Amino acid sequence: AQKVTQAQTEISVVEKEDVTLDCVYETRDTTYYLFWYKQPPSGELVFLIRRNSFDEQNEISGRYSWNFQKSTSSFNFTITASQVVDSAVYFCALSGSIYNQGGKLIFGQGTELSVKP
Amino acid sequence: DAEITQSPRHKITETGRQVTLACHQTWNHNNMFWYRQDLGHGLRLIHYSYGVQDTNKGEVSDGYSVSRSNTEDLPLTLESAASSQTSVYFCASSELAGALNTGELFFGEGSRLTVL
Repeated sequence: AQKVTQAQTEISVVEKEDVTLDCVYETRDTTYYLFWYKQPPSGELVFLIRRNSFDEQNEISGRYSWNFQKSTSSFNFTITASQVVDSAVYFCALSGSIYNQGGKLIFGQGTELSVKP
Repeated sequence: DAEITQSPRHKITETGRQVTLACHQTWNHNNMFWYRQDLGHGLRLIHYSYGVQDTNKGEVSDGYSVSRSNTEDLPLTLESAASSQTSVYFCASSELAGALNTGELFFGEGSRLTVL
């Protein structure tokens, strides 16, 4: 069975601090995809990143970076120099082989990040 | 621009009533999904469809049904609403699985349902 665990329910930081959101996943698939979505207070779900299981290279996009480690089944998300606008709920998600589970994502419970000025 | 819309955005109903949440997408995506979001559970899959006339049960399908008569729409029906179905419901769509599809979901804005 597939499962995604985000052990951190809530995180509170002060602006400009770095923060890491943890994500641990379980799957028996050899091909799979990992995602991060952001849900700001307005409620919509915003796609942040997609990573496939064959690409363990870390990725950086501005203040955001992602660390994918297959050895520990983790796909952690770091925000550098956090800002108030980063306050949101962040979801990690897992999808199986695109050929038979295209778009069917399993989500973690979410981590609510609060960045205080 | 292509989009995915849900209606109603807010709904209050009574226990036992039938409720239908509409989802309409103009992406021309074959894959459509319904999720519910509850505190402490994240988003859980209710039903999904990979094309016209195709429907499948997800993790939490009891008490819900869907039908897919065309590409654009996947309405979600609660046959007899229960208080446990009070939640925020998200519809989503994605491209047909293929070499270039990585399963990214495009979400609607959500429908908040309260069952009294």
